Amino acid sequence: DAGVTQSPTHLIKTRGQHVTLRCSPISGHKSVSWYQQVLGQGPQFIFQYYEKEERGRGNFPDRFSARQFPNYSSELNVNALLLGDSALYLCASSLLGQNSPLHFGNGTRLTVT
Amino acid sequence: AQSVAQPEDQVNVAEGNPLTVKCTYSVSGNPYLFWYVQYPNRGLQFLLKYITGDNLVKGSYGFEAEFNKSQTSFHLKKPSALVSDSALYFCAVSPAQRAGSYQLTFGKGTKLSVIP
Repeated sequence: DAGVTQSPTHLIKTRGQHVTLRCSPISGHKSVSWYQQVLGQGPQFIFQYYEKEERGRGNFPDRFSARQFPNYSSELNVNALLLGDSALYLCASSLLGQNSPLHFGNGTRLTVT
Repeated sequence: AQSVAQPEDQVNVAEGNPLTVKCTYSVSGNPYLFWYVQYPNRGLQFLLKYITGDNLVKGSYGFEAEFNKSQTSFHLKKPSALVSDSALYFCAVSPAQRAGSYQLTFGKGTKLSVIP
C-alpha cells in the first residue's frame, strides 16, 4: 500500500509570496493533520481535518489555512510568507480514533528567502 | 495545555549495549503516549504507543517503553542497540479529546548515536 504522499518535496519561495502544499493520505484514512518542523525542533501541530471539517487548529497565524477534499486529500496554504516559515511541513493521516497512530509523509521542505 | 520534555539532546551508546531515551510529560487527564523515529530527510515513523493497560509497551524493531504514572514518564528502551538504530527520536503526548479530534504535542527530540 502507498504511504502518505506529499508534494512538492522541496520548494523555494520569496518573502511575501504564497505557497500551497499538497498531501494524499493512506487509502482508507479520513483524518489528515499538518505539522511544522523547524530545524532542530519537534513537529508542531498546525491543523487537523476529519471528514472535510477542521477538528483542531494549533497556535499559528491566520496566514495559515488548510482544507480537505472529498477524496480526503488535503492542501495547506500559507500567505505572505516570512523567513520564519522556512521549515519541513509534515502531513500525517490516521484512521478514526485517538489511539490510532499517525502515519507521516516525508514532508515538504520550504525555504523562504 | 500539554507538554513533553526530552531532557537529553543526544544519547551515545555502544553497539550491543542497552539504550534508554528519556521522556516526561504533562497533560490533563489520562495521556495517550507515543514514540516516533525520524531518519535524515524523512518523515516520522511510528514505534509504539501507550493508551491503557500494561505499563510496559512493546513496539517495532525491538523497542519498548515503560509508562510510569507517578513520575509522568515514558522512557524508550532497547536491550541491545544496533548501529542502524542511530536516528532522531521523538516522544509525543495526546490528551483524551472529543471523537475525531487528534492533536499530538512532541518533544524537541533526542539524537541517538550507536557507536560500532
